[in-house]
Amino acid sequence: KAGVTQTPRYLIKTRGQQVTLSCSPISGHRSVSWYQQTPGQGLQFLFEYFSETQRNKGNFPGRFSGRQFSNSRSEMNVSTLELGDSALYLCASSRFYRASGSGNTIYFGEGSWLTVV
Amino acid sequence: EDQVTQSPEALRLQEGESSSLNCSYTVSGLRGLFWYRQDPGKGPEFLFTLYSAGEEKEKERLKATLTKKESFLHITAPKPEDSATYLCAVQAVVDGQNFVFGPGTRLSVLP
Repeated sequence: KAGVTQTPRYLIKTRGQQVTLSCSPISGHRSVSWYQQTPGQGLQFLFEYFSETQRNKGNFPGRFSGRQFSNSRSEMNVSTLELGDSALYLCASSRFYRASGSGNTIYFGEGSWLTVV
Repeated sequence: EDQVTQSPEALRLQEGESSSLNCSYTVSGLRGLFWYRQDPGKGPEFLFTLYSAGEEKEKERLKATLTKKESFLHITAPKPEDSATYLCAVQAVVDGQNFVFGPGTRLSVLP
């Protein structure tokens, strides 16, 4: 059974550019969430999508956005990149909307390493 | 506000030297506590979910336990391949939408 797939694995962008990251969840999983991981801040929640609707959003500026398609695949976009956006961006999937059940486990992809120069 | 702390920040063990990692949490009602293992440059790998105080789960050399305020990850006779960062996360009943992650414990097992 395939796991969560994220593309691209590595990318380098220049300040001011925008970037789009892609995530394919585990087959049968309908919830996709995104996290940013940096050495200083650890894992921070960006947003969660379920049934093509954003259900929750973390404390990130509006430059960070996402969407989910009917096949549950998701993309996140960061516009007007800043140096501080350099991080590992992780996508996680779960079968259900996470608030709907007890201990709804999320499974992570390998992440997309973004470097902003 | 839900909070998760982990200790120690880093731990260095000799191969075969058993120890425990701690995860302390403050949540308004626990829906689940999760342990993950993360290798450098990779995404977190799911290990365990614990739901209620007194629950225990085991997998190979790892055993996770849960009380009302904290969880322990016991590592018995560790091997160098157990070296990784171990993360715990909580999902609260009231704010069940989000997982709150702790900062992690960086474990090094020396041969």
